[in-house]
Amino acid sequence: QQQVKQSPQSLIVQKGGISIINCAYENTAFDYFPWYQQFPGKGPALLIAIRPDVSEKKEGRFTISFNKSAKQFSLHIMDSQPGDSATYFCAASVETSGSRLTFGEGTQLTVNP
Amino acid sequence: NAGVTQTPKFRVLKTGQSMTLLCAQDMNHEYMYWYRQDPGMGLRLIHYSVGEGTTAKGEVPDGYNVSRLKKQNFLLGLESAAPSQTSVYFCASSPRQGYHSTPSGHTGELFFGEGSRLTVL
Repeated sequence: QQQVKQSPQSLIVQKGGISIINCAYENTAFDYFPWYQQFPGKGPALLIAIRPDVSEKKEGRFTISFNKSAKQFSLHIMDSQPGDSATYFCAASVETSGSRLTFGEGTQLTVNP
Repeated sequence: NAGVTQTPKFRVLKTGQSMTLLCAQDMNHEYMYWYRQDPGMGLRLIHYSVGEGTTAKGEVPDGYNVSRLKKQNFLLGLESAAPSQTSVYFCASSPRQGYHSTPSGHTGELFFGEGSRLTVL
């Protein structure tokens, strides 16, 4: 079963716009929620992560919003740039599980110039 | 500063053939993982290891075997390849949680290789 559901599958945004990717999870034991960014031909790389003791985390143009009661979290990319075009994966884990991340299905983001 | 290195990068097999994917990391990480990536399905964990000499099953282990004889290496084997195993395989490593932080400050950060694309005909 897919414990982390991600939407949309693909997203096209104009340069300067806001990109929003959403994820929902089922396992209430999850306590670590990272986002990974993957460029074509490369492996995923950690972008930003949040733990459920805060509702929002911001790093530059990237923000995670976390809603524990709804079991949802989202990635917001402000002022989206063509260089942000990549596949984004949300993930979740129980930290005591040894970093065994459960990934969402992925979102292919295209930022048009 | 190689990080995580996977070999080979590309391979074409016929149904029933066997092969081994090699993953090597030079970061002295305790944990290592094998994921497969398929369109619309994200990354799914095949097998993982929490230390030299240990292995455990992940979400989709059937048809695969692994070995971790040395801390820096994690091998993924396909004994009898099937077309359903056509995929991109990613190896990853991470430090032991609670003991080390990565430069990002995340003890749970996974470092991925660049992937191995396998086609089974």
